[in-house]
Parts: sequence; structure tokens; C-alpha cells
Amino acid sequence: GAGVSQSPRYKVTKRGQDVALRCDPISGHVSLYWYRQALGQGPEFLTYFNYEAQQDKSGLPNDRFSAERPEGSISTLTIQRTEQRDSAMYRCASSLRPSQDQPQHFGDGTRLSIL
Amino acid sequence: SQELEQSPQSLIVQEGKNLTINCTSSKTLYGLYWYKQKYGEGLIFLMMLQKGGEEKSHEKITAKLDEKKQQSSLHITASQPSHAGIYLCGADSGTYKYIFGTGTRLKVLA
Repeated sequence: GAGVSQSPRYKVTKRGQDVALRCDPISGHVSLYWYRQALGQGPEFLTYFNYEAQQDKSGLPNDRFSAERPEGSISTLTIQRTEQRDSAMYRCASSLRPSQDQPQHFGDGTRLSIL
Repeated sequence: SQELEQSPQSLIVQEGKNLTINCTSSKTLYGLYWYKQKYGEGLIFLMMLQKGGEEKSHEKITAKLDEKKQQSSLHITASQPSHAGIYLCGADSGTYKYIFGTGTRLKVLA
């Protein structure tokens, strides 16, 4: 696609429910990144993939968070047993390849609200 | 761990005025990236700087990276209401995951 596409744009769910957030990167982009952004803050790194391989998951807050990219394209970030503190904007980015000369391009994000 | 500090945190200027936003890193940067964020929208990539002393311009926005690669500035000439938004600097510390500053909220009064 022309840009990074994330769905849903908004998600409201009750505490304890599982949620799955989807990211469709720019076509042909090898690298895919997930970030979380709290209000008034910059995005914070969660995890990233090259192709289907998860390269770094050091930013995932705990084991309720997981991500996959099984075919090296679309990725899903899953949060199990959601808690109110999980409420935030979740952003996905992609880059042509993992390199400092290839900037990351971001989607519009999914705003997650846990009631 | 590496941190990025942006200043000022917020800025209100009259249309037509020039302004500068600064981004300072605690460590040497491998890459410095400027993004603009509008409410409810994604981060729009503006410019990328990699070399010490590098300067890039696009329309009325100029970004510079100092020789030591620890400080960057974003300068807007003759600001317009369309420049309003949140400007974020992001840095790659060598691991391909970006860290970001907390952003500078810019308002341009018509």
C-alpha cells in the first residue's frame, strides 16, 4: 500500500479482555516496528521484525504483550488480559531495510482505551 | 541509556515569524530524524540527518546536525498556520530502534 495502515483506529474494551492490533506495512518494507505513545510523550519502542523474524522484543512491558509477523508482511500486536495502564496510542512503523539511512514511516496508530 | 531532550516544550508564534526547535542527545547519534505529528494522525517524516555538520532543507524547514552529532535544530522560516503541530526528534542509537524526545508543541497564530 501507499502508506503504513493500522487497524482498528480506535479500540475500547473492558479490562481483562484480549485485544489484537494490526499493522500492514508499506509494500516491500523488510523492517516493521511497534511503538507505544502515552499522551504528551514521544513513542516508546516495543519490538521489531525483519521479515518474519522478531529481532528485538526488549521493549515489551511484560508477557501479556506479544507480536508476530508470520509471513513477513502484516503484523499483529496482541495484549492479553488488558489492564487500564495499557491505554495508549499504539504505533506501527516500517522501513525499507534495517539501516540508519532508511527512515521509519509511521501509520496513524491505534488508540486503545481500557475501561 | 540514551535520552533526547527537546526544547522548548511548547511554542506560540505569530504567523510570518521564524522559530527554532532544539534536540539534544546524551550520546552520539547514528541518525537523527525529525517528524511532525498532528492530533489524531500519524507521524509524518520530515528529514533525516546522519553526518556531522549536515544540513537539509525542505520548503521553509531547515534541519541541522552539529559536528559532534549530539545536537540538532529545526528551523522554520516565515511560519504559517499549516506548520502547527507537534515536532518530534527521533534518534537511532545503533540498534535500529528509535528513541524520541517528548516533542515540541507549535501553535502559529494567524
